[in-house]
Amino acid sequence: TQLLEQSPQFLSIQEGENLTVYCNSSSVFSSLQWYRQEPGEGPVLLVTVVTGGEVKKLKRLTFQFGDARKDSSLHITAAQPGDTGLYLCAGVLAGTASKLTFGTGTRLQVTL
Amino acid sequence: DVKVTQSSRYLVKRTGEKVFLECVQDMDHENMFWYRQDPGLGLRLIYFSYDVKMKEKGDIPEGYSVSREKKERFSLILESASTNQTSMYLCASSLWANTEAFFGQGTRLTVV
Repeated sequence: TQLLEQSPQFLSIQEGENLTVYCNSSSVFSSLQWYRQEPGEGPVLLVTVVTGGEVKKLKRLTFQFGDARKDSSLHITAAQPGDTGLYLCAGVLAGTASKLTFGTGTRLQVTL
Repeated sequence: DVKVTQSSRYLVKRTGEKVFLECVQDMDHENMFWYRQDPGLGLRLIYFSYDVKMKEKGDIPEGYSVSREKKERFSLILESASTNQTSMYLCASSLWANTEAFFGQGTRLTVV
């Protein structure tokens, strides 16, 4: 069992649809990050959330950190083919120094 | 432009061989990480280092060791490669625990 569980594991949608990806844990994190990875590349940071209840927006992407800092969500509005990729959440457990732990990943496919 | 460089994109090794994966960063980052990536499991942390000569076990350290003799270089060692170590290996670095992690392009290792 991994510390950060993401759901769904796979998502295939059409252009223009909305979607939400979840990142859940039973542990408290000092911060959570979201990354996107494209084939043949390493993950690239999208956003970092640090305060419980925090909401951050990046164009059509909305990120939320749970009040208890145990979970996070990523909502994409009007998905586009360019959003296709592997989405990964990652966090540092509260009280630990440097250990960055990643989630299980959500593979998103957006078709025309 | 920030850079994390992994020594090989593809490697094929025989069972029982000792394997070295090298990673170099040019950003003067304190933290460096080694992950392996397998479908459906996201990125799993093998080892990390928060300072020269310092290393900490991640979630799946068995069968691996690491070396950090210089700040910019973090090496992953497979003491005796086994077929279940066939995977994509990703190196990353970050300035602090909660700051952006920058990744190399990965090494796809196949053990036959």
